[in-house]
Amino acid sequence: EAGVAQSPRYKIIEKRQSVAFWCNPISGHATLYWYQQILGQGPKLLIQFQNNGVVDDSQLPKDRFSAERLKGVDSTLKIQPAKLEDSAVYLCASSLDQWEQYFGPGTRLTVT
Amino acid sequence: KQEVTQIPAALSVPEGENLVLNCSFTDSAIYNLQWFRQDPGKGLTSLLLIQSSQREQTSGRLNASLDKSSGRSTLYIAASQPGDSATYLCAVKDSNYQLIWGAGTKLIIKP
Repeated sequence: EAGVAQSPRYKIIEKRQSVAFWCNPISGHATLYWYQQILGQGPKLLIQFQNNGVVDDSQLPKDRFSAERLKGVDSTLKIQPAKLEDSAVYLCASSLDQWEQYFGPGTRLTVT
Repeated sequence: KQEVTQIPAALSVPEGENLVLNCSFTDSAIYNLQWFRQDPGKGLTSLLLIQSSQREQTSGRLNASLDKSSGRSTLYIAASQPGDSATYLCAVKDSNYQLIWGAGTKLIIKP
C-alpha cells in the first residue's frame, strides 16, 4: 500500500514570496490533515478535511494560508505572502477513520 | 485546554540500556494515546496506540503504558540500539477527536 506522498520535500523562499505544497493521501482515506511543525515543537493542526469539506481550520492563519482539496483526493496548502516565522516542516496526514493517522515525509520550508 | 508535556527534551544513553520516556497530559478525557517516532528529514511513524480503556501495549522491544487517572504514559525501550536514535513524540486524541502533541524527546543511543 502506497503511503502519503508530499512534494516538494524542501523549499527555500524569501519572505513575502508565495509557496505551495502538495499532498496525495493514501487511496480511500476520506480525512486529510495539514500540520505545521516548528523546530523543537510538536505538530500543530492547520486544517482538517473530510472528503472535500473543511472540518476544522481554527488554527489556520487565514490572512496568508489557504488550502483546498478538490475532488476529495489530493490537497494543496498555500502560503502567500510568507513570513520568517512560517519556517517549519509541513506535514500531511490521512486517515480512513477517526482513529489512526498516517503521515507523509513532510515538506521543510525555509523562509529567508 | 489539553496540554501534553514530554520530559526530558533530550536523552543520551549507552547502547544496550533499558530506558523510559515520559509523557503527561492535563485532561484525562481522552480517546487514546499514541507514541510516534520521527527521524530527521522524515515524517512520523506510529509506534503504539493505547485506547483509553487499555493499560498498556507492546510491540517488540517497545512497551507503552497508560494511566489515564494520573495523566501519564511511559514508553519503555528494552535493550536500546543505535538505530533507536530518533525523536519520540506522544499525542493524545482529545474529546474533539483532535491529536494534541507533546514537543518530543530526542533520544541518542551511543554505540
